[in-house]
Amino acid sequence: NAGVMQNPRHLVRRRGQEARLRCSPMKGHSHVYWYRQLPEEGLKFMVYLQKENIIDESGMPKERFSAEFPKEGPSILRIQQVVRGDSAAYFCASSGGLNTEAFFGQGTRLTVV
Amino acid sequence: KQEVTQIPAALSVPEGENLVLNCSFTDSAIYNLQWFRQDPGKGLTSLLLIQSSQREQTSGRLNASLDKSSGRSTLYIAASQPGDSATYLCAPAGGTSYGKLTFGQGTILTVHP
Repeated sequence: NAGVMQNPRHLVRRRGQEARLRCSPMKGHSHVYWYRQLPEEGLKFMVYLQKENIIDESGMPKERFSAEFPKEGPSILRIQQVVRGDSAAYFCASSGGLNTEAFFGQGTRLTVV
Repeated sequence: KQEVTQIPAALSVPEGENLVLNCSFTDSAIYNLQWFRQDPGKGLTSLLLIQSSQREQTSGRLNASLDKSSGRSTLYIAASQPGDSATYLCAPAGGTSYGKLTFGQGTILTVHP
């Protein structure tokens, strides 16, 4: 049973470009969470999704960031018009339900140049 | 809003010592609490999950306790080894934060031979 898969592992984008980060949850998991870890800071919640629904996006920046978890395929975190301050490690986690263990992927390290 | 504090921020010990890592959280209405370890440049590895109804959970040399009413959890590491060196993160889930995990800043543990 493969774990949570994130790709790419490393992503370099120039300022103004778009970044797309993908997350395939563990088999059987329908709850996906995205977290961001800025340099020298802790992990911060961004968004919580279930299949085709955004449950909680209270941690998402108001502009340029969006997330989806379609019926088929991975969850996508999309950052439009990236700026240097978006450089961070983005982690995805999945779980089978609200009260169950969350498993994390290896993260995508985004560098904006 | 859930806030998590971990003490100490850093810990350096010789191999073989028994360790105590502390975590406190402000919102006691949680579903569960997870302890993770994070190695430099890597993702998070789940160590233990304690349900809100449990008092403790054990896995190998690790034991985690939970006092939900006082908002505290403690991770005990027995007979520490150099391979235990990592950042340890405490993350309560749920309560007013719904299903998401809220992370502390972590305890950076170094075990030297």
